[in-house]
Amino acid sequence: SQQGEEDPQALSIQEGENATMNCSYKTSINNLQWYRQNSGRGLVHLILIRSNEREKHSGRLRVTLDTSKKSSSLLITASRAADTASYFCATDHTGGFKTIFGAGTRLFVKA
Amino acid sequence: DTAVSQTPKYLVTQMGNDKSIKCEQNLGHDTMYWYKQDSKKFLKIMFSYNNKELIINETVPNRFSPKSPDKAHLNLHINSLELGDSAVYFCASSQPGTATEAFFGQGTRLTVV
Repeated sequence: SQQGEEDPQALSIQEGENATMNCSYKTSINNLQWYRQNSGRGLVHLILIRSNEREKHSGRLRVTLDTSKKSSSLLITASRAADTASYFCATDHTGGFKTIFGAGTRLFVKA
Repeated sequence: DTAVSQTPKYLVTQMGNDKSIKCEQNLGHDTMYWYKQDSKKFLKIMFSYNNKELIINETVPNRFSPKSPDKAHLNLHINSLELGDSAVYFCASSQPGTATEAFFGQGTRLTVV
C-alpha cells in the first residue's frame, strides 16, 4: 500500500494550544497535501507542499516535509473550537491521477 | 456555485438492488475520482478518470461501473448491492500537474439494508 499514515489517530487539546499532526508515507512523491474534513462533509484542501519544498505556511497552518524520512507534519497554531475536524494527509505519486489518503487524525479542540 | 456536486446526498436501499450516484464538476478539470470512505473514516480511491478515460481502477468489484459521458461528469453505477457497500462515496476532481489540489463533493451516504 502507498497510503500515508497519520499520527496520532486522535488528539484532544484546549482552545489556544497548538496541534501537531504527523504523516508518514512509503514511496517517493510529487507533492503532499493536507485536507480537513468536518463531520458529515466533504474534504477541503488546506495546503500543498511540493517535494522540493521543506516548509510552507498558510495563516495559522505550518507544514513541513522531510523527504529523506518520508514524513510531514501539520502544525495548527492557536487552535480554535472551529478547528475540530479530521485532518488527512494525501500524497500524489502520478502527476495528479492518483491521490492517496492516509487514515486521518481526529482533532478535538475544547472551548 | 458548487464546484463539485453529487447526488443524491443520502441513499438507502435493499440488498440486491442497483443504484447510481451522479457527479458533476464545473471547474474545468480533466481528472475526476471516486473515493469510498468507510465507517472508520478511511478514504480509499476507487477510480480515476482523465478526459473521460479510465486511468485508475483500484481492484474494485466489477459490480461498480463508473461512466464518464464527458469530462465534467463521472457517474457511479452499482449493481447487486451488498451490505458491505454501505459507506460514504465521494466524488472529486483535480487538474493533473505538479500542484494537484483535489476538490471534493459533499459525499453520498449509501446504506444497504
